[in-house]
Amino acid sequence: SAVISQKPSRDICQRGTSLTIQCQVDSQVTMMFWYRQQPGQSLTLIATANQGSEATYESGFVIDKFPISRPNLTFSTLTVSNMSPEDSSIYLCSVEVQNTEAFFGQGTRLTVV
Amino acid sequence: GDSVTQMEGPVTLSEEAFLTINCTYTATGYPSLFWYVQYPGEGLQLLLKATKADDKGSNKGFEATYRKETTSFHLEKGSVQVSDSAVYFCALKQSNDYKLSFGAGTTVTVRA
Repeated sequence: SAVISQKPSRDICQRGTSLTIQCQVDSQVTMMFWYRQQPGQSLTLIATANQGSEATYESGFVIDKFPISRPNLTFSTLTVSNMSPEDSSIYLCSVEVQNTEAFFGQGTRLTVV
Repeated sequence: GDSVTQMEGPVTLSEEAFLTINCTYTATGYPSLFWYVQYPGEGLQLLLKATKADDKGSNKGFEATYRKETTSFHLEKGSVQVSDSAVYFCALKQSNDYKLSFGAGTTVTVRA
C-alpha cells in the first residue's frame, strides 16, 4: 500500500496568483499522477510525473498552466498558475503500486476568488 | 477510447435498504474494473476491484461482479448504513496502460 500526504488541504486564492500543491508518498514510486475534480464532476487526469523527466500532460492541459516538479521518487508538486475562478476544483495526487492499485491523497480543495 | 458510464445520482436511501449503482463500460480487451469511494472531505479510496471476467470483488459488505457479456460492473450492498454516505466512482484500467478512466460518480446519502 501507499500513504499519500497532500498539502495544503484547502486554500482560497486571489485570481491571477499561483498555488503550489505538494504530494509526499511514504514509499518510492515510479509514477505519480495529478487529477482535477471540478465541482460535481468526475476525476480528470492532468498529467503524469516521472522522476528525472518532464511530466506528460493530457489533452487540454499545458505545462505553462500546470507546471509539475518531480525531484525524487517520493515527492511531487503541482502548481496552478495565473488562477481564475474556473480553476476552483479539488486537485488530487495519486500513485500506483505494483501496477495493480491506485492510491490517492486526500486532495486539495482550491477556491479562486 | 475507453469510457465508463455510471448511474446518475443523487441516490437517497433509508438505513438497511438495498443499494445498487449501475456501471457499464466501453473498452477493448479485458480491462480491470474498480469501485472507488470518496467520503465527505476526503480523497478516493479503493473499495473493491475485479481483474477478469466473472470475478467478484467484495469489501465492507459491497459486491460487484465483472460481467463481460453485458460489459457491466454494478455495485451492490444488501443493507446500507449512514456511514456509507459518500460518492462512488466506477473506473477501469487497461493492463498495458497506467491511466484510470472514471465514471461521473454517484452521490449516495443514507438517512437514519
